[in-house]
Formats: sequence, structure tokens, C-alpha cells
Amino acid sequence: GAVVSQHPSRVICKSGTSVKIECRSLDFQATTMFWYRQFPKKSLMLMATSNEGSKATYEQGVEKDKFLINHASLTLSTLTVTSAHPEDSSFYICSAALGLGEQFFGPGTRLTVL
Amino acid sequence: GENVEQHPSTLSVQEGDSAVIKCTYSDSASNYFPWYKQELGKRPQLIIDIRSNVGEKKDQRIAVTLNKTAKHFSLHITETQPEDSAVYFCAASMRGGATNKLIFGTGTLLAVQP
Repeated sequence: GAVVSQHPSRVICKSGTSVKIECRSLDFQATTMFWYRQFPKKSLMLMATSNEGSKATYEQGVEKDKFLINHASLTLSTLTVTSAHPEDSSFYICSAALGLGEQFFGPGTRLTVL
Repeated sequence: GENVEQHPSTLSVQEGDSAVIKCTYSDSASNYFPWYKQELGKRPQLIIDIRSNVGEKKDQRIAVTLNKTAKHFSLHITETQPEDSAVYFCAASMRGGATNKLIFGTGTLLAVQP
């Protein structure tokens, strides 16, 4: 199946700093990538839809100025958590979509904000 | 908003028994229904999916059924094995820009007892 990588896998940062997470589709070109957030023992909550070459579409309640998304190429999307606070600590997962709707997930990034 | 309900939240079966997980969705325009398996700390893995033009799909021990009229779909795992133990998520597509986005159910923790 399609392979999606995500980097870093874990990050610990101080409150107030910004953290960038990269999501790459390794063996296919993804016009659309998605960013999810997952709390322990909870479901995946869609944060935003990232389309190559255009602005991301954010879900209701997700602050676009706090969670900056850039999709500069067909294989790379980045999520930057700006001025991170402890409540931003979570598991962030990206996915890349194939043309017929299938989404393949990256391995996730565990963010801990101290 | 669009909603996907999933039941049960936890399911414990004996090895060799069958397991059934059920989901209902609210958007009548949904046309793609994937199922994901997620092990602790890992990425969700697509295990089977079904589109609205068919009522049933099977892949070895796993099958999915879809009732569009009732807007529900189910995952069936036969001859369960301990390695089937994981959290299972259903999802339903909804139109979100150029590519359908997925709305996820709340997950089912399946425990297969040896």
C-alpha cells in the first residue's frame, strides 16, 4: 500500500515555542493531505484539509493562526504548532489521500509541551 | 454536523469466535466507508473499505456490509485471533473540497482472549 512518513515521531518542547511536523507521501503524489489530532483512548479528530498549492481548510474550532499548514508540493505537507502550550500536547497524525478517497496515515507525532 | 456513531465501545471475545462492530452515519451523500485498525501508539491501518455501490465485501476473515437505506455499516471478523486485538475505527466520507474527508467513529476496543 501507499507509504506515508511523518517526522519527528516524538517532540518535547517548552511552553511558548513552535514545533513543525512534516508529513510526506513516499511513493505517490497526494493532492490532498489531512491533519488529525488524537487524544489518549479517543478517536481521530480532523483538524484541517491541506491541498497542494492552496490554503488549508480548517475544521470548526481549529485556530488557523495557531496551527499553520503548508502544502508546498505533492509529497509534503507541514503542520506548525505555534506558541505551544501544555493543552496542545497530543498525538498528531497526518494522512495522504489517493484519488478515490482512500487515506493512508503517517506514523504520528507525539507532542509534549512542558 | 455530520456524525458517525460506533458500537460497541469495547468488545471481548474468545479466540475463534466472531466479532461484529456496527456504525451508523448521518450524511446520506456519504459514498465511501473504510475501516481502520489501530494498535497502541501506532498509525491507523486500512483493513477493508466499501463503496456505496455494493452491499458487501469480503477479504479472508474480514467482511463489511453496508445498508444505505438505513445508513449503517458493519465490520465482521471471523475466527478471531489474539493479534486481532486493537482499536477499530469506522469512517464515512463527506464532501470536503477536492477530496472527500472522513468522519471517524468513536472506536471499538477489541480484545481477543486466548
